[in-house]
Amino acid sequence: GDSVTQMEGPVTLSEEAFLTINCTYTATGYPSLFWYVQYPGEGLQLLLKATKADDKGSNKGFEATYRKETTSFHLEKGSVQVSDSAVYFCALNSGYSTLTFGKGTMLLVSP
Amino acid sequence: DTAVSQTPKYLVTQMGNDKSIKCEQNLGHDTMYWYKQDSKKFLKIMFSYNNKELIINETVPNRFSPKSPDKAHLNLHINSLELGDSAVYFCASSQGPRGRGRSEKLFFGSGTQLSVL
Repeated sequence: GDSVTQMEGPVTLSEEAFLTINCTYTATGYPSLFWYVQYPGEGLQLLLKATKADDKGSNKGFEATYRKETTSFHLEKGSVQVSDSAVYFCALNSGYSTLTFGKGTMLLVSP
Repeated sequence: DTAVSQTPKYLVTQMGNDKSIKCEQNLGHDTMYWYKQDSKKFLKIMFSYNNKELIINETVPNRFSPKSPDKAHLNLHINSLELGDSAVYFCASSQGPRGRGRSEKLFFGSGTQLSVL
């Protein structure tokens, strides 16, 4: 079945540091890949997505590239801000069911 | 306008009680979901409805009963609440037919934090 594995948190960074949150997946066929973000006290919202191999999703300075050869979709940002502190979820949809989420990675950014 | 709204935001109750959480979406979506998020932030799908028809029913105790009076509403009723039911419950919706479009996006409500004492 489909599954998503992402690095455990919390990830603790200082403002303006470089961020990488690793995500790998197992899926049937050719899934679409997503990153969702959950700010404190809120629901999840879509951050970015990629629907085919080598696509790069980007939004708000975050990027992730769909790597079919390594079955990965790592999230990166060049310079994090305090306001980026949140829980980040990697997810996939192979078209056979609904979204499959990873366990979430908490990011804490200090001034 | 809130796209997916759920009420109440906080729910504190005693073990053994029956409670309901309501969800409404004004996006015109066909598919709605209930997710449970535990204290470690792990998200688990519970139910999915497409046009008032149940299409996903994960391994959830039958004390949990979803009800969809129309495609814009999906309420969650919980009987005989237990301590382990304490969690944040999220409602979500998506456009895709039967929730299985590959690239479809889910819209989430802001969650209901349920505390069972």
